[in-house]
Amino acid sequence: KQEVTQIPAALSVPEGENLVLNCSFTDSAIYNLQWFRQDPGKGLTSLLLIQSSQREQTSGRLNASLDKSSGRSTLYIAASQPGDSATYLCAVVGAQKLVFGQGTRLTINP
Amino acid sequence: DVKVTQSSRYLVKRTGEKVFLECVQDMDHENMFWYRQDPGLGLRLIYFSYDVKMKEKGDIPEGYSVSREKKERFSLILESASTNQTSMYLCASSFGPLEFQQYFGPGTRLTVT
Repeated sequence: KQEVTQIPAALSVPEGENLVLNCSFTDSAIYNLQWFRQDPGKGLTSLLLIQSSQREQTSGRLNASLDKSSGRSTLYIAASQPGDSATYLCAVVGAQKLVFGQGTRLTINP
Repeated sequence: DVKVTQSSRYLVKRTGEKVFLECVQDMDHENMFWYRQDPGLGLRLIYFSYDVKMKEKGDIPEGYSVSREKKERFSLILESASTNQTSMYLCASSFGPLEFQQYFGPGTRLTVT
């Protein structure tokens, strides 16, 4: 059974810092990995999708990497801003199912 | 832009009531999904549909049913609501099978009293 873990559960950093969010999964037989953002009380916004054959994807200040063999992904956020404050979720697709991690709640302090 | 809408942002129902949650997408997506999100448990898949009138059970289908009569609309039905179904319900759609990017609606916060 696929399990997805995100550590830490919460992170608070000053504005302007570069930061890394971590995601690990137990079964490397995945189709892709997706990173989402969720603002309080809202739905999910897709940030990046990495296919299993890819190593990384970039969008603006965000860069996501994927290492299938070690069962890990990282989301790198450059030059963080208060507007980046949200919960970040990773999810892996495999065996016809999308399995989510519990998320990392990120707070960027002005 | 893909738009996924859900009929209500907040809903309060009584135990035993029949509850309908509606989801509509405007991008002609084949696949639609219903999840619930609970603190400490994360998002869990209830049901999904890969075509009109087709449905598949997810991880936690008990107490729920679904209906997909039209491609753009996917309904989640709680036949007899119970307090343990109080949750945030999220609908999503995607163009292809699960490996394609999923787009989420804003969610419905359901409270069953």
